[in-house]
Amino acid sequence: GENVEQHPSTLSVQEGDSAVIKCTYSDSASNYFPWYKQELGKRPQLIIDIRSNVGEKKDQRIAVTLNKTAKHFSLHITETQPEDSAVYFCAASPSSNSNYQLIWGAGTKLIIKP
Amino acid sequence: DTAVSQTPKYLVTQMGNDKSIKCEQNLGHDTMYWYKQDSKKFLKIMFSYNNKELIINETVPNRFSPKSPDKAHLNLHINSLELGDSAVYFCASSQVKVTGELFFGEGSRLTVL
Repeated sequence: GENVEQHPSTLSVQEGDSAVIKCTYSDSASNYFPWYKQELGKRPQLIIDIRSNVGEKKDQRIAVTLNKTAKHFSLHITETQPEDSAVYFCAASPSSNSNYQLIWGAGTKLIIKP
Repeated sequence: DTAVSQTPKYLVTQMGNDKSIKCEQNLGHDTMYWYKQDSKKFLKIMFSYNNKELIINETVPNRFSPKSPDKAHLNLHINSLELGDSAVYFCASSQVKVTGELFFGEGSRLTVL
């Protein structure tokens, strides 16, 4: 079945620098790749997603890139700010024959140092 | 207006007890989910219902029983609670199965003593 690996598990960056989190997936038929942000004690919330017919998507300081050949996708956060500190989860949807579930990465704790 | 609400927010109980968590969504979504998030923060899907019909039932002990009285509600009942059940349980809903945004509730933190 589909497997999603997420790296690193913890990432510490200086405020203002960029952060990159990478996920790899195993099912080449996966077609949807969301990223969720979970602040401490809060619920996960979708911050950006990308579908397999697109290579890159941007929304202000965040962007996601997808490399279907290599089966990996990455979250890029530029000009990091203290409020970017959170746990970030990637996920992938397996092929359309799946039973309607996302396969989740293990999460990356992003720490923004002032 | 809260889109996905779940109650209670905190549950502290003894091993062997039975407890329920309720979830309601006012978004008009067809699909609802229960997720478990353990102390390592890993999100694990437990159940998914689409229009009151069970469509995902992951490897979860049968002490856990979901019930969906209508498509806006998905409750979780847990029998004979064990220490390993301690976790945060999130309810979520989505309009589109799999490739739609998941809207999570605030979570219910269950502590089994």
